[in-house]
Amino acid sequence: AAGVIQSPRHLIKEKRETATLKCYPIPRHDTVYWYQQGPGQDPQFLISFYEKMQSDKGSIPDRFSAQQFSDYHSELNMSSLELGDSALYFCASSRGGYTGELFFGEGSRLTVL
Amino acid sequence: LAKTTQPISMDSYEGQEVNITCSHNNIATNDYITWYQQFPSQGPRFIIQGYKTKVTNEVASLFIPADRKSSTLSLPRVSLSDTAVYYCLVDVGNTGGFKTIFGAGTRLFVKA
Repeated sequence: AAGVIQSPRHLIKEKRETATLKCYPIPRHDTVYWYQQGPGQDPQFLISFYEKMQSDKGSIPDRFSAQQFSDYHSELNMSSLELGDSALYFCASSRGGYTGELFFGEGSRLTVL
Repeated sequence: LAKTTQPISMDSYEGQEVNITCSHNNIATNDYITWYQQFPSQGPRFIIQGYKTKVTNEVASLFIPADRKSSTLSLPRVSLSDTAVYYCLVDVGNTGGFKTIFGAGTRLFVKA
């Protein structure tokens, strides 16, 4: 069965650079969620989209922005990168809005040097 | 969102049944209880969800008492591959927002 696809899987950037992560939800899923997980930490909710509109916002820095496109894929843009942004970024999707059952991708590992 | 409290870690041996209890004293009427499993460097994986009484699937059982202030995830006959972090989440159902907040999970270590 098709799963959530995230790209790139690994990304290395310098401080103050910009990074873009992409997420392709499971077909027919209309809701996308972004999470950040630092080393040894629990996943932190960043932002979610339902039917291409932002639906909820968590602890997402102002330097980060995201959107969901007409084909339901989503992109997380991170600017002025800081060392503390180094983390695993997970995207998850669900169908028909929030149902409590989220399907997660394998994550994108961002390393900021 | 209701706050959840789980044990920080648990140890078990292969073949044993493991029960992880989660406290959620301020659970709201619309809240569902959901459990996720996460292996290192992988995304969390949905295990089970329930509202009240008992729910069972091919992987686990979820026991929820009548007052719903706690819940217990039961993993039958664990194996080494069940070593992971288990998260208990209490979320609003379809009438609510679109976010799932992960608290501090339980790190389960299964020994041979």
